[in-house]
Amino acid sequence: AQSVAQPEDQVNVAEGNPLTVKCTYSVSGNPYLFWYVQYPNRGLQFLLKYITGDNLVKGSYGFEAEFNKSQTSFHLKKPSALVSDSALYFCAVSFRDNYGQNFVFGPGTRLSVLP
Amino acid sequence: GAGVSQTPSNKVTEKGKYVELRCDPISGHTALYWYRQSLGQGPEFLIYFQGTGAADDSGLPNDRFFAVRPEGSVSTLKIQRTERGDSAMYLCASSFSGRAGETQYFGPGTRLLVL
Repeated sequence: AQSVAQPEDQVNVAEGNPLTVKCTYSVSGNPYLFWYVQYPNRGLQFLLKYITGDNLVKGSYGFEAEFNKSQTSFHLKKPSALVSDSALYFCAVSFRDNYGQNFVFGPGTRLSVLP
Repeated sequence: GAGVSQTPSNKVTEKGKYVELRCDPISGHTALYWYRQSLGQGPEFLIYFQGTGAADDSGLPNDRFFAVRPEGSVSTLKIQRTERGDSAMYLCASSFSGRAGETQYFGPGTRLLVL
């Protein structure tokens, strides 16, 4: 079965420091991996995705993620965190089954950037 | 252009009542998805439409839940005989054609509270 794990419920980082939010996945076939961010009482906002090609993917708001096939990971990173980055972050895997596209989300990681 | 919209933004109802939640996808997107998100958790898939037909409804929890998309655009999620356990954020997303790897774009969600 396809699954996504985010091993940390909460990540705290000081403003200006680099941040990492971890994600590991289990899929059969080629993985399509996504990161979304959710602000309070809002829907999910797309940050970036990996489909194929370069393992380092750059996305919105200075975020990037590195696809590592051998470690089945897709960690989200940012070189310098902002207080406004504080939100809930979800990793997701997209795959095709008999019905079409399906998405499985991880449980989420709450990022707190401290001033 | 306009993103995915959902109405109402909040819905409070009493146990046993019937509710309808509406989703208006991005114009031209043939694929539409409904998810349910409980507090502190990731979105859980409910149902996927390709055009007017429900291509995959395996995520609907029971027969009290039903969704339609009669003209291949707007979709309505219907919940009969609501229960307190149905309280959650209901998210709608759309993508261009439903191929694996396509970005899903989310609406702001409808927060349902069943008293």
